Amino acid sequence: DIQMTQSPSSLSASVGDRVTITCRASQYIGRFLNWYQQKVGKAPKLLIYAASNLESGVPSRFSGSGSGTDFTLTISSLQPEDFATYYCQQSYSSLLFTFGPGTKIDIK
Amino acid sequence: QLQLQESGPGLVKPSETLSLTCTVSGSSISSSRYYWGWIRQPPGKGLEWIGNIYNSGSTYYNPSLESRVTISIATSRDQFSLKLTSVTATDTAVYYCARLSDASGYIYFHHWGQGTLVTVSS
Repeated sequence: DIQMTQSPSSLSASVGDRVTITCRASQYIGRFLNWYQQKVGKAPKLLIYAASNLESGVPSRFSGSGSGTDFTLTISSLQPEDFATYYCQQSYSSLLFTFGPGTKIDIK
Repeated sequence: QLQLQESGPGLVKPSETLSLTCTVSGSSISSSRYYWGWIRQPPGKGLEWIGNIYNSGSTYYNPSLESRVTISIATSRDQFSLKLTSVTATDTAVYYCARLSDASGYIYFHHWGQGTLVTVSS
């Protein structure tokens, strides 16, 4: 099974900060990596698919990069509505999916 | 506008079977363009993939749950369902249904239901 890790598990940041979250797969997954944002009490929302493709309607301050085993989600200038938990998810094995443990961003 | 809505009992007794249905509106569930899946989230914890069902009827399950899970589809009702047998307190979670999209082989959970909390308790 492919395992996913994320770092950090949580971070405190201020509005306007540049924030980077890392996701690592336990084996090669190409670019089969998706990112989701989840706010408290809400369903997750797709941000990025295939490592770097921005979902329609998602602000351009969000970007994704990486391939192979190491991936990053970057928020170029953190906005108040971005305080949430972010999850990566691999779909390399289209039969068996895995989510990362999540990274919570809160207000410094 | 696509909507997914989970429904089912909010309370299930230990050792019994959890049964949930996801009703899809705004999209035909029989479309070959999409796949359908279930994800859960225990209170205060992260997301756990449960399984997917494809338009072919093929199903794929999380190995940790495979012996207890069945996902089925009812195209005539635009619904798909989840059954989880022999539940324990560790199965207490918010259960989400989702529609997956496929962009040239890159598959992702594109649209989500609002989720429904299922508590396992006597």
